[in-house]
Parts: sequence; C-alpha cells; structure tokens
Amino acid sequence: DAKTTQPPSMDCAEGRAANLPCNHSTISGNEYVYWYRQIHSQGPQYIIHGLKNNETNEMASLIITEDRKSSTLILPHATLRDTAVYYCIVRGYNYGQNFVFGPGTRLSVLP
Amino acid sequence: DSGVTQTPKHLITATGQRVTLRCSPRSGDLSVYWYQQSLDQGLQFLIQYYNGEERAKGNILERFSAQQFPDLHSELNLSSLELGDSALYFCASSVRARSDEQYFGPGTRLTVT
Repeated sequence: DAKTTQPPSMDCAEGRAANLPCNHSTISGNEYVYWYRQIHSQGPQYIIHGLKNNETNEMASLIITEDRKSSTLILPHATLRDTAVYYCIVRGYNYGQNFVFGPGTRLSVLP
Repeated sequence: DSGVTQTPKHLITATGQRVTLRCSPRSGDLSVYWYQQSLDQGLQFLIQYYNGEERAKGNILERFSAQQFPDLHSELNLSSLELGDSALYFCASSVRARSDEQYFGPGTRLTVT
C-alpha cells in the first residue's frame, strides 16, 4: 500500500472550513484514498473515500488532485465535536491489503 | 454508537497471564477485524476473519490468536502477556470481506502490570 504523509497537527476556528491535506505520491492506479477519524480514544470512524473523482457526503468533501498524488479532506463548518485525529489511508483491493493507519493529523477546533 | 460491542471495557492483569477479549459485530456483518493501538506503535491491524474463516493477517504476534464463531462473534486471545502488550484493542466489523467502511467498537483497554 502507498504511504501517506499528513501534517501532525492543525487548528481551525469553529464554524470555519477545516482543510486537511494528505500526500500520497506513490499511489497506484487501483488504490483508493480513505479518511477515518478518531475522537479521543474512541474507535475510529469512517468519513469518506474516493478513487479519482471528488466526493461529498453528509460529513465531508474529498478533493483528489488530477495526478492523484495528494488529496484534501474538507469539513465545511467545523464544530468543537470535530476535534479528533484524522487519518488518511491509501488502500488497494488486492488480497491482503488492509487499512494501514499512520500517525494522522490532530485537528483542534477552537471556539 | 457503531453497533459493535466489545467486552470487557477495561482489563488489568499481570505479566505472563492470558486474557480473552470479546467482540460482537454489527448485525449482518460477516467480517471482523482486530486492531491494537499503543502509544508508540499507533493503530495496527492484527487479523481479520470473514464468516468464520481467517481472511488476512497483519502484525499479530504468535502469542496472540483469534477466532470467529458460528454466531459471528469473535475472540482475541492474548497469552504470556508482557508489559508492552498494554494497549487499546479495537474490534471492527463490515458487511463484506473488502468493505470500504469498517465500523469500530469502543475498544478494550488492556493494562499489563
């Protein structure tokens, strides 16, 4: 699985958009980009995933660059409850490929 | 609430002992995953079962074993415990063997003294 690089921490003002970047320059053609988050010590929570098109759901938007070497997770109106560690993961669909969680980005939403 | 349950929530035991962690997946999910989260190693995939069969193995030690029962609940057995095994152990479940969304339980916090 391709390796991802994320900033260790970010701050965001409550009510503003939070833009979390992720670099995955070695991503291959059949690998998807996934985002999960972990609030405090709770179990991680799925947010969104995509292959090459931008994706949006009720939680967030995922913007993947045309060359697929980086992506950005956007939380449109961050709230205090969005304070968490956000993990960007790249995974393919071949047998044996599972989620590999890196250190992630610790997002602090400030009042 | 993800629908995945794990018991116990907390477990304190001594080095050399053996413990069993239990996981009940969401209703209808056939796949169960086990993860270990320690301070120095982060969140690591251990093993996956799908409909009773081992599907994938990650960084699981030989002292650790798991199984999935016919009712789809799963148990993770940890033996000859060491101080370094102290961690949060998460179970996750999904409908298929290769699902995009895994639903994580609240975890079991294991402390080895």
